Amino acid sequence: DSGVTQTPKHLITATGQRVTLRCSPRSGDLSVYWYQQSLDQGLQFLIQYYNGEERAKGNILERFSAQQFPDLHSELNLSSLELGDSALYFCASSAGQGANTGELFFGEGSRLTVL
Amino acid sequence: GENVEQHPSTLSVQEGDSAVIKCTYSDSASNYFPWYKQELGKGPQLIIDIRSNVGEKKDQRIAVTLNKTAKHFSLHITETQPEDSAVYFCAAYGDGGTSYGKLTFGQGTILTVHP
Repeated sequence: DSGVTQTPKHLITATGQRVTLRCSPRSGDLSVYWYQQSLDQGLQFLIQYYNGEERAKGNILERFSAQQFPDLHSELNLSSLELGDSALYFCASSAGQGANTGELFFGEGSRLTVL
Repeated sequence: GENVEQHPSTLSVQEGDSAVIKCTYSDSASNYFPWYKQELGKGPQLIIDIRSNVGEKKDQRIAVTLNKTAKHFSLHITETQPEDSAVYFCAAYGDGGTSYGKLTFGQGTILTVHP
């Protein structure tokens, strides 16, 4: 158990809909990262927050947004969903400000299926 | 931005043999190179990492080598065991330019160790 909690574990929805994925980081970790894992794209970095502020941005679509709340949990919002958004979405956390300061602890992921 | 290429995509070995996975990166500003192991149904977990000021690092049966000039790094697993079967990801952390602050992963290698 990494200590990172993601909900929901599975989600099935239709094209055009909007969903919210939630992540609770390990106790004491200030950084939260979101990654998308699909069969043909591997692990794609979406976005990182550190203590409530956006710190790094990857290939996150404009239809996607995220935030980190004062209690340090984070939410990833996916809107106008397309079939190609079906993937496993991972949240990870770390104590430090950067991904190079130590281990990223990954949750078990939220599997999104868009029909 | 950073591009990380990982080879091979699949690797099958007999128990007790060695396994080698290779990665190349494109951004010379990258300075931190972790390796993650992902077991079925779980999130990736850090197994070893290396920083750009070090050429080699070992931890029991696992070793990583880094050639900064050639921009490639490799994971070596000796005396493989069936429990080493998993997907392995290399990654590179960008410390400058458009890659700054991003941990970019390779496509992954599915390692199967046959008893």
